[in-house]
Amino acid sequence: EAQVTQNPRYLITVTGKKLTVTCSQNMNHEYMSWYRQDPGLGLRQIYYSMNVEVTDKGDVPEGYKVSRKEKRNFPLILESPSPNQTSLYFCASSSFGAYEQYFGPGTRLTVT
Amino acid sequence: AQSVSQHNHHVILSEAASLELGCNYSYGGTVNLFWYVQYPGQHLQLLLKYFSGDPLVKGIKGFEAEFIKSKFSFNLRKPSVQWSDTAEYFCAVKRGNKLVFGAGTILRVKS
Repeated sequence: EAQVTQNPRYLITVTGKKLTVTCSQNMNHEYMSWYRQDPGLGLRQIYYSMNVEVTDKGDVPEGYKVSRKEKRNFPLILESPSPNQTSLYFCASSSFGAYEQYFGPGTRLTVT
Repeated sequence: AQSVSQHNHHVILSEAASLELGCNYSYGGTVNLFWYVQYPGQHLQLLLKYFSGDPLVKGIKGFEAEFIKSKFSFNLRKPSVQWSDTAEYFCAVKRGNKLVFGAGTILRVKS
């Protein structure tokens, strides 16, 4: 089944404790992206990747890192999480040029 | 600044009522336009998309949208909503390599 998976689905952590949210797709998509969803703000793009070893900032990259060492994986790293990073995070992927993005199930992160 | 505006944050309708959700964007030039839907507890799914050609596009589940270039608008419509259409709807614009979303409209359909 074609899908985007994220882990963990739920995470509660404390300020400053490094964490990684994994994202994996099995559709051989070139393009992958991370978004955060906050009430009243919709989805805002954090980072995206056009292909392996090619990443770029979205609209709200501060406090986040990403890497793209393999085509299927695009982990989101929070080196020192803060409470304002409490949010619902979505990973998405698409075939380059196809434009339609496939979204993962989301990761609800709470930073206390 | 790049932006996508959705006119209503909350909409409540009775079953069988007609639906129109507004979306305006502030970019010039070529854009690709999308409507996504997020059912309660689920991830986003594509409803429909516009790339070029006929400005009236049809999507899944009886939804359609009309692209009006002169008004920078891409409004979503459905002639008769069902209780199962209760969800949050997002308009999005692809500009270059980025996808920019509106703030979303929460639709609640009363049975």
